[in-house]
Amino acid sequence: EAGVTQFPSHSVIEKGQTVTLRCDPISGHDNLYWYRRVMGKEIKFLLHFVKESKQDESGMPNNRFLAERTGGTYSTLKVQPAELEDSGVYFCASSQDGRAREQFFGPGTRLTVL
Amino acid sequence: QQQVKQSPQSLIVQKGGISIINCAYENTAFDYFPWYQQFPGKGPALLIAIRPDVSEKKEGRFTISFNKSAKQFSLHIMDSQPGDSATYFCAASRSGGSNYKLTFGKGTLLTVNP
Repeated sequence: EAGVTQFPSHSVIEKGQTVTLRCDPISGHDNLYWYRRVMGKEIKFLLHFVKESKQDESGMPNNRFLAERTGGTYSTLKVQPAELEDSGVYFCASSQDGRAREQFFGPGTRLTVL
Repeated sequence: QQQVKQSPQSLIVQKGGISIINCAYENTAFDYFPWYQQFPGKGPALLIAIRPDVSEKKEGRFTISFNKSAKQFSLHIMDSQPGDSATYFCAASRSGGSNYKLTFGKGTLLTVNP
């Protein structure tokens, strides 16, 4: 069974540019989470999808971040325009259903904003 | 406000020794406490988890000790091996509909010397 995949693995962009991160959860997993780890800090929750519906966006830093999960399969996280403080590692995780507490994490996308 | 505090930040142990990582939480609504292990270039992977109705859970060389009254839990790695060298994250979540977002500690970088 394939795990959670994320693309790209690394992204280096200039301040003001746009970047789109992609996450493919484990097939059949309805729950999809985005997290971010800024260097030296803890991994922080960004948002949660159940299928294509956003359930909790309370962790999104500001309106420069837009997440989508069309069709309830893969998800994208767009940052537009990117700022220096957006640099970090963005993780995606998925879980099977609401009662399944274990979340399976992807390898992350390391975003560097110069 | 950091809801889950983890210590130490880094830990060096000799092969065969015991590694101990501690976490403390504030939110008494948390009801699930996992530990994640992360190797370089990989995403966090669930190692072991505990619920507050038990005080200890053991899986192989890994043990979680849980103290509900003190709001603390810890990971013990017995007979530590060089292959255990990784970053360890404690986390917590609470039941709430289908959203089981994780609140993480800052992580502990464990190095096991041969």
